[in-house]
Amino acid sequence: EPEVTQTPSHQVTQMGQEVILRCVPISNHLYFYWYRQILGQKVEFLVSFYNNEISEKSEIFDDQFSVERPDGSNFTLKIRSTKLEDSAMYFCASSEAESGVEKLFFGSGTQLSVL
Amino acid sequence: AQTVTQSQPEMSVQEAETVTLSCTYDTSESDYYLFWYKQPPSRQMILVIRQEAYKQQNATENRFSVNFQKAAKSFSLKISDSQLGDAAMYFCAYRNSNSGYALNFGKGTSLLVTP
Repeated sequence: EPEVTQTPSHQVTQMGQEVILRCVPISNHLYFYWYRQILGQKVEFLVSFYNNEISEKSEIFDDQFSVERPDGSNFTLKIRSTKLEDSAMYFCASSEAESGVEKLFFGSGTQLSVL
Repeated sequence: AQTVTQSQPEMSVQEAETVTLSCTYDTSESDYYLFWYKQPPSRQMILVIRQEAYKQQNATENRFSVNFQKAAKSFSLKISDSQLGDAAMYFCAYRNSNSGYALNFGKGTSLLVTP
């Protein structure tokens, strides 16, 4: 089965630094998502992306966050100035369509540690 | 806002036995979608089963089935003939039918399968 690929698997950064998390969604998928999971807490929705623009974003997704699909295959999440509370596992996902029951395919996540 | 509650942080089952993971949710909507995702040690979340709220028939996927009680807002997952490979974290998730792309997850249940 095709997979969503995320790199790196683990990223360590200093507070205040910019980080870019990278994802390669499944090639024929049109909808892209970022979720995050802080240790011990539930998985939370950050943002969805379709047709080169944000479709929906949560309260977590503030001005420090941005997403981009720079080259038609990669889908990136940028955090401009990381905070300690940004430490979490970040999951990328993609889907072929956005109908309510549509299956999301998730990557294996990037563990972001902000020191 | 919708909330999803998984009241069992951990469950254990013997190989070949049956286990039920519970999930309740809170919503004022009448049409929505419910999902169970499995997260093995590889961290990649995989869809196990999905249910459309307007369908009365409980969804079934091989050894996995759900007990969907709409009035009680309950969506439990039954795993029959448990296998060692079923050991994972299981997340219940909710999605609105008419607004948004976001999945709303519960905190997860860690399932241990013993030989």
